[in-house]
Parts: sequence; C-alpha cells; structure tokens
Amino acid sequence: GQQLNQSPQSMFIQEGEDVSMNCTSSSIFNTWLWYKQEPGEGPVLLIALYKAGELTSNGRLTAQFGITRKDSFLNISASIPSDVGIYFCAGRSEGAQKLVFGQGTRLTINP
Amino acid sequence: GAVVSQHPSWVICKSGTSVKIECRSLDFQATTMFWYRQFPKQSLMLMATSNEGSKATYEQGVEKDKFLINHASLTLSTLTVTSAHPEDSSFYICSGRTSGNSYEQYFGPGTRLTVT
Repeated sequence: GQQLNQSPQSMFIQEGEDVSMNCTSSSIFNTWLWYKQEPGEGPVLLIALYKAGELTSNGRLTAQFGITRKDSFLNISASIPSDVGIYFCAGRSEGAQKLVFGQGTRLTINP
Repeated sequence: GAVVSQHPSWVICKSGTSVKIECRSLDFQATTMFWYRQFPKQSLMLMATSNEGSKATYEQGVEKDKFLINHASLTLSTLTVTSAHPEDSSFYICSGRTSGNSYEQYFGPGTRLTVT
C-alpha cells in the first residue's frame, strides 16, 4: 500500500543530543500525526498537526506541518533514555478515513 | 489523550481454532475503528476500517471471511481470526478515531497472537 518516506530509518545518538526526523509524501495531506511505539506496545500519539506551516510542541518534542503540505518533521531536544523507541509519522489526505504511515525511525540512545 | 484497550494482550491457540480480540474505547466514542497488523520491525499494515453499525471495509488482500470484524457499538469492535494458521501469528493493533473536525486516532496496546 501507499507509504510515506520517513527518514532516517534508524538513529544512534548520545544522551542529551537533539534528534530530527522527517516524512515526505508525493501527495498532499490535510493532517499529520506523529506516534511513538515501544516494544510490545501500541503506538502512542505525540503530536497532531492540521494546518500548513503549523508548529506544535509537546514538552521536548516539536513537530511542523510543511508549507507544501507534503512533508512534516519531528524534533526531540535534549534526548533522554526514555525517548528510545520507534517513531512513526502518519498522514491523512482530505476526505480519507485512513492514515498512511511512514516506515518508522528507530531511535537508540547511548547513555 | 483518549484511551483504547485491547483484550487479550496475548493469546496462544492451536491451528484450526478461532480467536476473538476485543477493542474498546474507554473514554470516547469511536465512530470509526481500524484494525492493523504489524510484523516485526515493520510499520503498521491496515487490515480494515469499520464504522459503527456498518460492515467493515477491508484492504486489498485481506480475507474478510478469515478476519471477521464487528463494530456493534461506539465503544466496542471485535476481530475474530477464524481457522487460524501459523502464518496468522502476528501483532494485531486496533485504533479508534475521535469524532469532530480534528482527526486524532488512538491505538490500543496490541494483541500478540501465536498460532501453534
């Protein structure tokens, strides 16, 4: 099925570093959502974006809805060990019920 | 955020038997629920979309007679894997969508199915 292009696929960083990941699509989306999934658990919604150019924060997390409506990024500042997990972007086009998911970014943090 | 529960969290069954997984939205009404399947180290694969009181819409390649979905109320959807086989072993996750103009989709904790 259709997927978003999410990068990077994996990241290995030191505790305290900032993290940036992004998603791009060939089609326009009306909604961008960012999720975090830990092993054996379901994804947890981190941030929801609804307008082009929108910049939204949730604690140390910041996400933006790209102006072209074809991309979004997620930044994590001052990473801590509990940030470890897989981060997924998801987009929804106008009129669609279902989300399209990225392949995920696996974040590993060295203490 | 809104809370979605799933039961059971894991299940082991013998080949040929059927397994039912329940998905409940605990603090919101989910007019639309989704069922996903996830293989190790992969993204979520949508199996079907169900609207309360209507028949589910299945994604291409998903057998509707094998994966029976019932969305009888605004807070409950069930997935029944009929005549399960080892290749049906997977992580199944449900999700409920909140109503209104903002689109937020909340996931359950998942159910690990192992068919022996």
